[in-house]
Amino acid sequence: DVKVTQSSRYLVKRTGEKVFLECVQDMDHENMFWYRQDPGLGLRLIYFSYDVKMKEKGDIPEGYSVSREKKERFSLILESASTNQTSMYLCASRQGYSYEQYFGPGTRLTVT
Amino acid sequence: GEDVEQSLFLSVREGDSSVINCTYTDSSSTYLYWYKQEPGAGLQLLTYIFSNMDMKQDQRLTVLLNKKDKHLSLRIADTQTGDSAIYFCAERGGNKLVFGAGTILRVKS
Repeated sequence: DVKVTQSSRYLVKRTGEKVFLECVQDMDHENMFWYRQDPGLGLRLIYFSYDVKMKEKGDIPEGYSVSREKKERFSLILESASTNQTSMYLCASRQGYSYEQYFGPGTRLTVT
Repeated sequence: GEDVEQSLFLSVREGDSSVINCTYTDSSSTYLYWYKQEPGAGLQLLTYIFSNMDMKQDQRLTVLLNKKDKHLSLRIADTQTGDSAIYFCAERGGNKLVFGAGTILRVKS
């Protein structure tokens, strides 16, 4: 079974803090994705990566950066957290152009 | 750009059929998906359909695709309380998935 894990289920941070969200997958997938989920807006793509050290902006990259130093790990970084980044963050991975994309359980981030 | 729309809420009685509808804009979509999200959980792939298919059936689930109208539907037969969740429609063009806002399905016993 493919497993996508995220470092925290719940996180509370203060405005201005630097925040790291970690995602690890165990199936050697090339592609990894970060989404944020907000009620009534569905999932919106923040960044994705199709290989180590490669990254591409998604639809809402502002205020975020990413890092992929190893194939199995994809990190989302909030350089200076703001209250409007309070959200559920979901990581996903996919093998090449396979049909199936696997999701982690999500991290609910609250910025106060 | 690509856009996916779906109704936000559906309420059905246990044992009835549920039909969740979705429209999309990208005519070059290769795959279309239905994901399910239970409270506090990530997304679970329910089913998918390749863009050259009209219908796909998998146990209680039936997916219908009308490419001309860019309309996708998910029918759940004999809906159970365990089907209560948020259902997301998504389309795939290239390397990215584009999701709808999600339909909350509430099943009344």
